[in-house]
Amino acid sequence: SFELTQPPSVSVSPGQTATITCSGDALPKQYAYWYQQKPGQAPVLVIYKDTERPSGIPERFSGSSSGTTVTLSISGVQAEDEADYYCQSTDSSGTYVFGTGTKVTVL
Amino acid sequence: QVQLQESGPGLLKPSETLSLACTVSGDSISSYYWSWIRQPAGKGLEWIGRIYSSGSPNYNPTLKSRVTMSVDTSKNQFSLKMTSVSAADTAMYYCARITEVDWFDPWGQGTLVTVSS
Repeated sequence: SFELTQPPSVSVSPGQTATITCSGDALPKQYAYWYQQKPGQAPVLVIYKDTERPSGIPERFSGSSSGTTVTLSISGVQAEDEADYYCQSTDSSGTYVFGTGTKVTVL
Repeated sequence: QVQLQESGPGLLKPSETLSLACTVSGDSISSYYWSWIRQPAGKGLEWIGRIYSSGSPNYNPTLKSRVTMSVDTSKNQFSLKMTSVSAADTAMYYCARITEVDWFDPWGQGTLVTVSS
């Protein structure tokens, strides 16, 4: 299988933009997905197919992709965005892999 | 709106078999792939396996020798069995629907399984 690497933590001031990267060799060939997990809660999908936003997810969440790196951006960060964020992808054999996770702290 | 609910024993002894069920409401279990994912306290997410109502399940290669998943369409439920558990299997266990074979949405609220003598 493959690995997805994220920075352990990102700190951002309210109103600024948080940028979380996810790197993996398979990403040029496979879509990436992003989940938000708040303490004591199950993960929630915030981005699918690299750039698509599910209904109900605020427009400040966006995704992008370039080569072996995908990026989740949160513009105009709010206190409620403080959470752990995980990327996820699949390989051709039907194996699902999660990134190492990034803790976003709103200062 | 589809909802998933995990159920099963929360405390096991080492070497016992973990058995969990996920009951699906608001959707037919025959229409999607379904999955189990776990998360040790303070750590990241680990995919355990996926199953469709028909066909062979797929498992995480690191757990494949100990894991079995099954579907009960009459109960709209799918299950996880993991043999020979150890403290390393202590985690929150989530069930989730797989959408378009690629991503997990929605998730159940999770059930905590603790392995301790």
